Amino acid sequence: DGGITQSPKYLFRKEGQNVTLSCEQNLNHDAMYWYRQDPGQGLRLIYYSQIVNDFQKGDIAEGYSVSREKKESFPLTVTSAQKNPTAFYLCASSTGHLNTEAFFGQGTRLTVV
Amino acid sequence: ILNVEQSPQSLHVQEGDSTNFTCSFPSSNFYALHWYRWETAKSPEALFVMTLNGDEKKKGRISATLNTKEGYSYLYIKGSQPEDSATYLCASNNNAGNMLTFGGGTRLMVKP
Repeated sequence: DGGITQSPKYLFRKEGQNVTLSCEQNLNHDAMYWYRQDPGQGLRLIYYSQIVNDFQKGDIAEGYSVSREKKESFPLTVTSAQKNPTAFYLCASSTGHLNTEAFFGQGTRLTVV
Repeated sequence: ILNVEQSPQSLHVQEGDSTNFTCSFPSSNFYALHWYRWETAKSPEALFVMTLNGDEKKKGRISATLNTKEGYSYLYIKGSQPEDSATYLCASNNNAGNMLTFGGGTRLMVKP
């Protein structure tokens, strides 16, 4: 089955620690994205990648880092520099053409304790 | 940063009612407008991707229209059913970059 997988579903982190969220797709998509959702707000773009070994900052990149070493994988690291990391994180992928739909993972809920 | 806005933020309707909600987006450099349905505990799923001014798309009881000159899109649901309860997201991208900017969503609750 083709799809996009995020893991883990729930993640708890101590304040001051870095944590990495996984996102894998087997759809052969060139473009991948990370979004963050806070209560009562829409999805905000953190980082996106249009091709392997390339990525761009989104609207709220501060305190986050990404890598795109393989086409299938786009992990997101939430660093200790992120002031308010508790949120729901969604990964998505698409062919990269602007008029094609994005496919989403099921999300990771990160809680800082 | 594109400014995409959706209204209303939430909506309660009775089963069988027809309803509609709005997405507004910047009309300059417009390329595409997306609608997604996001059910609780599931991933958002695409409903429509629209690019042409005046475009209308339909999928069962759900349809959408697009006005790129004035920067708005309407989503219509005819004869709402409880299974239509979800958050409906719109997103816009322009030809300045391959970024989808989402609105805050409209949360629809259909009472049986």
